[in-house]
Amino acid sequence: AQSVAQPEDQVNVAEGNPLTVKCTYSVSGNPYLFWYVQYPNRGLQFLLKYITGDNLVKGSYGFEAEFNKSQTSFHLKKPSALVSDSALYFCAVGDTGRRALTFGSGTRLQVQP
Amino acid sequence: ETGVTQSPTHLIKTRGQQVTLRCSSQSGHNTVSWYQQALGQGPQFIFQYYREEENGRGNFPPRFSGLQFPNYSSELNVNALELDDSALYLCASSMDYITDTQYFGPGTRLTVL
Repeated sequence: AQSVAQPEDQVNVAEGNPLTVKCTYSVSGNPYLFWYVQYPNRGLQFLLKYITGDNLVKGSYGFEAEFNKSQTSFHLKKPSALVSDSALYFCAVGDTGRRALTFGSGTRLQVQP
Repeated sequence: ETGVTQSPTHLIKTRGQQVTLRCSSQSGHNTVSWYQQALGQGPQFIFQYYREEENGRGNFPPRFSGLQFPNYSSELNVNALELDDSALYLCASSMDYITDTQYFGPGTRLTVL
């Protein structure tokens, strides 16, 4: 069975500093990896995905993620955090069998002014 | 905005009742997936519909059922509601391959008393 781990419940960063939200995964085949963001009382917004190709994936709102096959990680990064980036972030892996996404437990990002 | 809409926004039911949630998919998408997000957790896959057929199912009992219509909109039905069914129910639309991005609606908040 595939799984996703987000080891940090919360990440705190000052505005203007770089941010990293960690994600590790476990799959039996090729990993299809996604990052979503959720604002309070809202659905999930797609940020970026890795299917194949370059290990550095660029997405919406200045976010990027680095795929590392040897470490089975897919960390989300942004060079300069904004207060408006404060939200709940979910990493997910695609399940080719059930055609579903398996989500991590989420990481709350708090950006302080 | 993703173009995926859900209704109603909020719903309060009592234990034992039945509920129907609705989802309209984004234009051009033929697949709808439903997820349950309990408070403080990541979304859990319920099932997926493709061309009016159930295409995959998560670990949910048969009292969770669904439909997809010819216009690709979808319904989630839950019978014999239990207190633990209280959650945010999210639908997502996509094309029919796992590498395609799933775009989520705003969700329906179900409270079971």
